[in-house]
Amino acid sequence: EDQVTQSPEALRLQEGESSSLNCSYTVSGLRGLFWYRQDPGKGPEFLFTLYSAGEEKEKERLKATLTKKESFLHITAPKPEDSATYLCALMGYQKVTFGTGTKLQVIP
Amino acid sequence: NAGVTQTPKFQVLKTGQSMTLQCAQDMNHNSMYWYRQDPGMGLRLIYYSASEGTTDKGEVPNGYNVSRLNKREFSLRLESAAPSQTSVYFCASSPRGSTEAFFGQGTRLTVV
Repeated sequence: EDQVTQSPEALRLQEGESSSLNCSYTVSGLRGLFWYRQDPGKGPEFLFTLYSAGEEKEKERLKATLTKKESFLHITAPKPEDSATYLCALMGYQKVTFGTGTKLQVIP
Repeated sequence: NAGVTQTPKFQVLKTGQSMTLQCAQDMNHNSMYWYRQDPGMGLRLIYYSASEGTTDKGEVPNGYNVSRLNKREFSLRLESAAPSQTSVYFCASSPRGSTEAFFGQGTRLTVV
């Protein structure tokens, strides 16, 4: 069975303090790994899709990387507006499986 | 450009009542989805529609029905609501061949 585990559950950073969020996964056949951002009371917003180990994608202060067992979302010099819950999801042969998310709070 | 629009935003139902959650997208996407999001659990797929005229069960379809009315609209119906269906429901759409899904703002449903 496909599984996704995100860690930590919550992360509190000072503005400018870089860190990484982890998404560990097991899947029978990976067709894609997604990162979404979700603000309170809103639907998830697409950030990245990664397809194969070694792939990296960047958007502003965010950089997503992928290995055969996990993906990392690196946040460089975060700002308060980066505060949100970040969701990881993987697409296997049969379905998309979402993780429970990491709630990030960036303090000014 | 509104994207994906869900109505209503909030709803309280009594056990046994029925209701339909509405979803419409204006991006000409082929695929549409209904998810539920519960505390401590990831988003779970209820039903999806790969194209107009087709619907398929997802991970947690029991207690729900769907209708793909046309390319724009995909509705979710609860025939006899149960407290276990208390959740936040999200509709999403994606273009053919794309892995990027666009989500609506959600419907917060409480069944008492």
